[in-house]
Amino acid sequence: GEDVEQSLFLSVREGDSSVINCTYTDSSSTYLYWYKQEPGAGLQLLTYIFSNMDMKQDQRLTVLLNKKDKHLSLRIADTQTGDSAIYFCAEGNTGTASKLTFGTGTRLQVTL
Amino acid sequence: DAGVIQSPRHEVTEMGQEVTLRCKPISGHDYLFWYRQTMMRGLELLIYFNNNVPIDDSGMPEDRFSAKMPNASFSTLKIQPSEPRDSAVYFCASSPVGQETQYFGPGTRLLVL
Repeated sequence: GEDVEQSLFLSVREGDSSVINCTYTDSSSTYLYWYKQEPGAGLQLLTYIFSNMDMKQDQRLTVLLNKKDKHLSLRIADTQTGDSAIYFCAEGNTGTASKLTFGTGTRLQVTL
Repeated sequence: DAGVIQSPRHEVTEMGQEVTLRCKPISGHDYLFWYRQTMMRGLELLIYFNNNVPIDDSGMPEDRFSAKMPNASFSTLKIQPSEPRDSAVYFCASSPVGQETQYFGPGTRLLVL
């Protein structure tokens, strides 16, 4: 079945850039997502990218997709303490109607 | 809109008891999803509905788990009997047709002693 993998932990200094990586196995994925989970809260969609794109930028967030290697990354520029959270990568086949397969999540710690 | 509403937010029960988790999706959303999150297994999709009809329940772990959606504004996830290994955070999410996102509720933190 589908598998989505992420590293478990990333620590960066405030003001630096963070890069969170994700690999997936399903070559038929049509959408790839990044969700953010703050402590005690549900998941919040940050951004998504269609599989026919290789980059998407949204303010401080940049998503890069290497479809050949099935590798997705999320770059957060000028990381702030408020960015500390768990970030989930997810993939789906038909958008809203699909089962999303989530990665294990990467805990981002921002230090002063 | 108030977003996806889940109740209770926290539940502590004893092994063998019945547990019922509730979810109110965002009005107008056609899809409703139930997830379970644990440290060991991460976020797992249990079941999802489209227009109140269960579409895929392959993630439901055992017969002890059941989910219903009697109308467009309400869904329940029931565990009977509950076991300590069911302790987790259970999330409900909803999604409208034509949008590439799922809106998550705040979750129900379940502890089975």
